[in-house]
Amino acid sequence: SQELEQSPQSLIVQEGKNLTINCTSSKTLYGLYWYKQKYGEGLIFLMMLQKGGEEKSHEKITAKLDEKKQQSSLHITASQPSHAGIYLCGADEGRGGATNKLIFGTGTLLAVQP
Amino acid sequence: DTGVSQDPRHKITKRGQNVTFRCDPISEHNRLYWYRQTLGQGPEFLTYFQNEAQLEKSRLLSDRFSAERPKGSFSTLEIQRTEQGDSAMYLCASSFGIGTQYFGPGTRLLVL
Repeated sequence: SQELEQSPQSLIVQEGKNLTINCTSSKTLYGLYWYKQKYGEGLIFLMMLQKGGEEKSHEKITAKLDEKKQQSSLHITASQPSHAGIYLCGADEGRGGATNKLIFGTGTLLAVQP
Repeated sequence: DTGVSQDPRHKITKRGQNVTFRCDPISEHNRLYWYRQTLGQGPEFLTYFQNEAQLEKSRLLSDRFSAERPKGSFSTLEIQRTEQGDSAMYLCASSFGIGTQYFGPGTRLLVL
């Protein structure tokens, strides 16, 4: 079965610094989702990547899917306290997204110090 | 608010009791999913519906768990004879077809 590994598990950065979170899959990714979760709350959709080499940005967050489609990175530029939370990558278990059943990594806990 | 809603947000129950959670998806979404999340882990898939049909159930979903979506709109997840190991966050998500899943705020269950 497919597994997603995220690194680092946790991260503390000073406000204004850049950071990168990685998500590595044991199998080819056919759809990779990034979500953010505040402690004790639901998941907020950030971005979805599908094609190898694809890159998407939203405000100060950029996500990339590598050419071989087995790794994705999430990069935050000039971090702010509002970026703090748990970042989760999720992948579609079905080839081509037929089921849209998602599996998730264990998450990366980000703290931003003012 | 037109997002996914879940009720209740928190539930404390004693071992052996039955509990029921409700999820209201985004109105035009035909797919509805249930996930379970324990502390320090990512969400784990439990089951999903397309309209009123339950199309897949995870092996995580024991016989004590049952989910319904009778009219293809809201869904309920019932846990019978709760056990301490059922303590978790239960998340509901919805999508239009195989599109992006949007999650609700979750129901946090604590079984004493």
